[in-house]
Amino acid sequence: EAGVAQSPRYKIIEKRQSVAFWCNPISGHATLYWYQQILGQGPKLLIQFQNNGVVDDSQLPKDRFSAERLKGVDSTLKIQPAKLEDSAVYLCASRGLAGGELFFGEGSRLTVL
Amino acid sequence: KQEVTQIPAALSVPEGENLVLNCSFTDSAIYNLQWFRQDPGKGLTSLLLIQSSQREQTSGRLNASLDKSSGRSTLYIAASQPGDSATYLCAVGGGADGLTFGKGTHLIIQP
Repeated sequence: EAGVAQSPRYKIIEKRQSVAFWCNPISGHATLYWYQQILGQGPKLLIQFQNNGVVDDSQLPKDRFSAERLKGVDSTLKIQPAKLEDSAVYLCASRGLAGGELFFGEGSRLTVL
Repeated sequence: KQEVTQIPAALSVPEGENLVLNCSFTDSAIYNLQWFRQDPGKGLTSLLLIQSSQREQTSGRLNASLDKSSGRSTLYIAASQPGDSATYLCAVGGGADGLTFGKGTHLIIQP
């Protein structure tokens, strides 16, 4: 079974530029999450999708971050404009059943200069 | 708001020792608890998932326990090996919600 796929693995941009990350969850998983992990911290939930609807985006900085999950499969997370403090690893995760195991991708490491 | 604390923040032990990592959470109304491993520059690998109705789960040399009423979980690693060196993260979930993570325990096993 293929795992959660993410791209790009690494991205370096200058502040005020934009960036987009892509995630393909495990086949059949209805729930998809985007997490932000700053160096030395645990992952923090940014947004949760159930199929193509948003369940929780309370911690998403909506002035600069946006995310979508068209057709309830792949998802894209965008940052525009980026700030220095957005430097982090952006992790995508998926889950098949409520209360079931969460599976993570390898993450996309963003450096903002 | 759920808060998850992991102690110790870092641990270094000689190969072969048994060790215990601790996790505590402030809201006992959890649906499940999951332990992950994270290698440098990598994503999170799921180790064990404990449902709120369970007391423990075992996988190979790993054993995780859950005491929901006291808001605690432990991850026991038997006969540690250098390959166990990684950061171990504890996370609690509320059913359909996402997980709330601790900051992790950075573990080094000395050969």
